[in-house]
Amino acid sequence: GIQVEQSPPDLILQEGANSTLRCNFSDSVNNLQWFHQNPWGQLINLFYIPSGTKQNGRLSATTVATERYSLLYISSSQTTDSGVYFCAVDGGGADGLTFGKGTHLIIQP
Amino acid sequence: EADIYQTPRYLVIGTGKKITLECSQTMGHDKMYWYQQDPGMELHLIHYSYGVNSTEKGDLSSESTVSRIRTEHFPLTLESARPSHTSQYLCASARGTGGPDTQYFGPGTRLTVL
Repeated sequence: GIQVEQSPPDLILQEGANSTLRCNFSDSVNNLQWFHQNPWGQLINLFYIPSGTKQNGRLSATTVATERYSLLYISSSQTTDSGVYFCAVDGGGADGLTFGKGTHLIIQP
Repeated sequence: EADIYQTPRYLVIGTGKKITLECSQTMGHDKMYWYQQDPGMELHLIHYSYGVNSTEKGDLSSESTVSRIRTEHFPLTLESARPSHTSQYLCASARGTGGPDTQYFGPGTRLTVL
């Protein structure tokens, strides 16, 4: 099935810093989503972005489908940005999303 | 955003009990999914449905079963819970046709089997 690799696995930053999270995937996809999982376990939709670039406030994302990677940018980080960021794509034998292992982000005040 | 609900949010039960985790969505989405997530790990698909009376197994083998009798409702059942079933279970839904195939997730059920 399709493989999804995220980097870095862990990231610790000071408040106000910028960061770039990367997601590589092994095959063409119809769906790519970025999620933020908060400390209570809730998955928050950030972007649906199988290709192209989108921006939402301090967050933006770019997917280059031909090169099979996606980037999530977080600018002017806040402590509330802490949590785990997952990239997920469709593909494999069954419908549904295949998730990467996530990037664990800690923003220190 | 879709409105998708899961109950209970937390459940602690003893080995051998039968349990049903509830999932409901109010957006009329055709597709629904169940994922399992162990602490600190990624999510894995265990069941999905394309609509009423449609259910399929996902990539991760699971002893649970699901049903889809109504579009808005997709419950998951464990006939005899064991400690190995301790995990978080997340339900999701997607439109299916006529737009982006964005999946929206419920808040999850954190299950502990003693």
